[in-house]
Amino acid sequence: DQQVKQNSPSLSVQEGRISILNCDYTNSMFDYFLWYKKYPAEGPTFLISISSIKDKNEDGRFTVFLNKSAKHLSLHIVPSQPGDSAVYFCAASPDKTGANNLFFGTGTRLTVIP
Amino acid sequence: DTEVTQTPKHLVMGMTNKKSLKCEQHMGHRAMYWYKQKAKKPPELMFVYSYEKLSINESVPSRFSPECPNSSLLNLHLHALQPEDSALYLCASSLRGQGADTQYFGPGTRLTVL
Repeated sequence: DQQVKQNSPSLSVQEGRISILNCDYTNSMFDYFLWYKKYPAEGPTFLISISSIKDKNEDGRFTVFLNKSAKHLSLHIVPSQPGDSAVYFCAASPDKTGANNLFFGTGTRLTVIP
Repeated sequence: DTEVTQTPKHLVMGMTNKKSLKCEQHMGHRAMYWYKQKAKKPPELMFVYSYEKLSINESVPSRFSPECPNSSLLNLHLHALQPEDSALYLCASSLRGQGADTQYFGPGTRLTVL
């Protein structure tokens, strides 16, 4: 059973515009959320995270929003650049269990068109 | 420095071979992880070592045997694998292995079992 879901397998955006990647989760025990970016044949690269006590975290062009009541998070990339083209995974961790077991979504392939 | 290194980058082995995957980090992290990723799927957790002790084993077959000689090194010993074990094997590390702890991934080892 997939506890973290990314319902859009792909997204195409024009360079300079905003990219919005969405993620939904089902387990209310998840308290810590992360976004990773992955290029082919490479490991995931950590982008940004958010704890459940916040609803927004910003780092440069990347902003993550968390709506805990809707069990939904999103990653905004502004402005989008061609180098952002990659697969983006959201991941969630049940903070309070004391074990750092990450549950990943299925990924969204972002293509930024020059 | 958030580097996790993995060797080899590629590995081809027969079903009767014994081989090992290696992972190393020098960030002072005390938790290390093995994940398996099949094509077009998210990474799936296999093992977690926390302070050099195995803390999570996600029902992985015994033909996969992890070893953590010290806090910087993590090995995955492979024996009598099946063709369906072919995948990208990812190593990750995090500071403590608890709660809101960001995992940093290596580039992975692409394993092919013939």
